[in-house]
Amino acid sequence: DAKTTQPTSMDCAEGRAANLPCNHSTISGNEYVYWYRQIHSQGPQYIIHGLKNNETNEMASLIITEDRKSSTLILPHATLRDTAVYYCIVRVWKAAGNKLTFGGGTRVLVKP
Amino acid sequence: GAGVSQSPSNKVTEKGKDVELRCDPISGHTALYWYRQSLGQGLEFLIYFQGNSAPDKSGLPSDRFSAERTGGSVSTLTIQRTQQEDSAVYLCASSSPQEPREQYFGPGTRLTVT
Repeated sequence: DAKTTQPTSMDCAEGRAANLPCNHSTISGNEYVYWYRQIHSQGPQYIIHGLKNNETNEMASLIITEDRKSSTLILPHATLRDTAVYYCIVRVWKAAGNKLTFGGGTRVLVKP
Repeated sequence: GAGVSQSPSNKVTEKGKDVELRCDPISGHTALYWYRQSLGQGLEFLIYFQGNSAPDKSGLPSDRFSAERTGGSVSTLTIQRTQQEDSAVYLCASSSPQEPREQYFGPGTRLTVT
């Protein structure tokens, strides 16, 4: 799996959009970008994933650059409950056994 | 609907004792994963079950660790002769055979070996 690089931490004002960057310059053509988050004392939670097109669901939007070497997760209206560690993962979608390996992630603190 | 459940939520055991951790996946999910997460660390894959196939045990750290999945549903992770370095949160996840096959995690079992 390609390596990802994320900022260690980020603060965000409640009600504002939170833009979380992720660099994955060694991504290969069949690798997808996945985002998970982990709220304190809870198990990880899937957010969104994409290959090359921008994606949006009820939780967030995912913007992937044209060269696919970086992406941005957007939480459109951050709430206090969005305070969590956010993990960007790059992996082949249909690999046998989708083992997840989380690095350090970005610790997001949403402030009132 | 019901999510992934794990029990116990917390377990304190003495060094050298055996422990069993249980995972109930989401009904209909054919894939089941065990991970562990040490304090402040990322996620470490342990073992993966997919249907009736042989499990992928490549992440188990030693032969003291084993897991089984009965009837394609409930899974038990067993740690024999526990050591202090086994202290961690043990997370179970399951995923549907349908795309996008995202993994749904349980709340975890916090294991403390004294």
